[in-house]
Amino acid sequence: DTAVSQTPKYLVTQMGNDKSIKCEQNLGHDTMYWYKQDSKKFLKIMFSYNNKELIINETVPNRFSPKSPDKAHLNLHINSLELGDSAVYFCASSHGKGRKAFFGQGTRLTVV
Amino acid sequence: SQQGEEDPQALSIQEGENATMNCSYKTSINNLQWYRQNSGRGLVHLILIRSNEREKHSGRLRVTLDTSKKSSSLLITASRAADTASYFCATDETDFGNEKLTFGTGTRLTIIP
Repeated sequence: DTAVSQTPKYLVTQMGNDKSIKCEQNLGHDTMYWYKQDSKKFLKIMFSYNNKELIINETVPNRFSPKSPDKAHLNLHINSLELGDSAVYFCASSHGKGRKAFFGQGTRLTVV
Repeated sequence: SQQGEEDPQALSIQEGENATMNCSYKTSINNLQWYRQNSGRGLVHLILIRSNEREKHSGRLRVTLDTSKKSSSLLITASRAADTASYFCATDETDFGNEKLTFGTGTRLTIIP
C-alpha cells in the first residue's frame, strides 16, 4: 500500500563507489522528484521529471544521473561518490506543478 | 538566499498550548503548502493555501497567507505530543514550467508532555 517507496533506506559506501537509489510510486502521478536533505535539514530539489522527461536539473553535478524507465519509476544513480554526497535523499511524486507532493521515506546515504 | 525561511527555527511548548510558526518567501507564488516531517521519516503534506486565499483551516491547523508581506503562518491548536516534528513551508512559484516546490528551512517543534 506504500504510495512512494524508495530503496534502500540506508546506504553506507566508500568514496569513489557508484551506487543507485530506486523509487517507485503507485499513485498514478505524472511528476516525480528527487530532493536532497542535508545535515541542517534543508531540502533542495535536484531533479524533476514529468511523463519520463527531465524538467528540472538544479545545478547538480553530472555524477548524479536520474533515469525514469516509466512514469511510475525514477531512479538515481551516483558515480564516484564523495564525502559531501552524504545526506538523506527523498523521492516524491505529484499530479503536477503546484500540486501536493507525496514523499518516500528517504534514503540515508553515508559516504566514508 | 533561500526562498522560504521559517521562524522560529526551534520551538518548545507544553502540551495543550498553541504553536505558531511563520514562513517568509521572496517570489510570487501560486500556492503555499505546509509539510510535517517526523524524525527519520519522509515529509507529509498538511495543507495547501492558494495565493488568492487568506486563511484556511484543517482540523487543529490554521494557515494564513499574506501575499503583500510574502509570509504565511501555521497555527497548531491544542498541541499534542504527537505533533512533535519539523514543519516546513513550500512554495509553488509562478515561474511557468517550474515544476518544483521550494522548501523553507523548517521549524523544529517539540511538545513537552
